[in-house]
Amino acid sequence: GEDVEQSLFLSVREGDSSVINCTYTDSSSTYLYWYKQEPGAGLQLLTYIFSNMDMKQDQRLTVLLNKKDKHLSLRIADTQTGDSAIYFCAERTGANNLFFGTGTRLTVIP
Amino acid sequence: ETGVTQTPRHLVMGMTNKKSLKCEQHLGHNAMYWYKQSAKKPLELMFVYSLEERVENNSVPSRFSPECPNSSHLFLHLHTLQPEDSALYLCASSQDFLAGVVFFGEGSRLTVL
Repeated sequence: GEDVEQSLFLSVREGDSSVINCTYTDSSSTYLYWYKQEPGAGLQLLTYIFSNMDMKQDQRLTVLLNKKDKHLSLRIADTQTGDSAIYFCAERTGANNLFFGTGTRLTVIP
Repeated sequence: ETGVTQTPRHLVMGMTNKKSLKCEQHLGHNAMYWYKQSAKKPLELMFVYSLEERVENNSVPSRFSPECPNSSHLFLHLHTLQPEDSALYLCASSQDFLAGVVFFGEGSRLTVL
């Protein structure tokens, strides 16, 4: 089946940029998503990108998609302590499912 | 507020109890989903409903029973659960089954004693 991989942990200092990476295997992806999950909460959609796009920017968030390498990244500029959470990459394929990575726990150090 | 509301947020039940989780979406979406989130495992899709009909059932034990009475509401009925069923159960919806962004609720944290 489809495989979505992320590194488990990332620590950055407040004010620095964070880059969270994700690789996927299904080349028929239609949408790719980034979700944020804070402790005890559900998944909050942060941003998404269509598979025919290379980049999307939304305020402090920049998503880069490299279809050739099947690599997706999320850059958070000026990272704040409130950005500490688990970030999930997900791909929606041409089939019928949304495949999630195991999540990257971002810790922002004051 | 994502437009997808789940109740209860927390539930503790014994293995012989019967309880239900409720999900309501206020987005006018046609597809609704149940996902299970366990520690250290990727999110698992359990059930998919499109226009109130079940279209996906990923080998979920029969002790979990979904119900979709209309396109805005989704239930997950629970009976004779096991401790390993303790998890966060997330409801989600999207405009249509194979299209649209998927929005999640806050989840129902289930603990089975």
